[in-house]
Amino acid sequence: GAGVSQSPSNKVTEKGKDVELRCDPISGHTALYWYRQRLGQGLEFLIYFQGNSAPDKSGLPSDRFSAERTGGSVSTLTIQRTQQEDSAVYLCASSLFGGGNTDTQYFGPGTRLTVL
Amino acid sequence: KQEVTQIPAALSVPEGENLVLNCSFTDSAIYNLQWFRQDPGKGLTSLLLIQSSQREQTSGRLNASLDKSSGRSTLYIAASQPGDSATYLCAVSGSFSGGYNKLIFGAGTRLAVHP
Repeated sequence: GAGVSQSPSNKVTEKGKDVELRCDPISGHTALYWYRQRLGQGLEFLIYFQGNSAPDKSGLPSDRFSAERTGGSVSTLTIQRTQQEDSAVYLCASSLFGGGNTDTQYFGPGTRLTVL
Repeated sequence: KQEVTQIPAALSVPEGENLVLNCSFTDSAIYNLQWFRQDPGKGLTSLLLIQSSQREQTSGRLNASLDKSSGRSTLYIAASQPGDSATYLCAVSGSFSGGYNKLIFGAGTRLAVHP
């Protein structure tokens, strides 16, 4: 079966431009997560979706970052007025329930964002 | 605040060696601990998930142990192969996550296994 997919795989943009990153979770997974991995650093949590709602947006670094999920499936992470410090790999993960001791997260390949 | 530390940061070993990667966490109120593998330019692959009530999990040449009370986990790789070369990440979820499985990651151990 298909895993988590993300697009684009690479994105180069100029400072100040807006970008949209897309995530297609595994079919039937109710939980969806966005993480960010800056060069040489660990993964940082950004936002969690349960269905179409986002009960935890605590990891979004500024109001330039927003995300939505529609139909309990595809999610889009939008970064407005990009800055060079936004350069990172953005990873999406999905899981069946979003809770419980055995709920494994499955990760997509990531989108590498470079802001010039 | 939950913090996850992985030691060593990097490791280079000859093929065939048995090796141990270490992970420690500061808040023992975890739901589970996961070990992932990350290959360059690719996403994360889940290797093992240990529930808080478990002591260890095994998959092939991999064995992960968990000592929740001391805040430690180890990943043991037997008879290492060049194909094991990757970055290994440890992550925990728990009540600090707000009741769901937001993962807190360590910075990873970069493993190189040379022929």
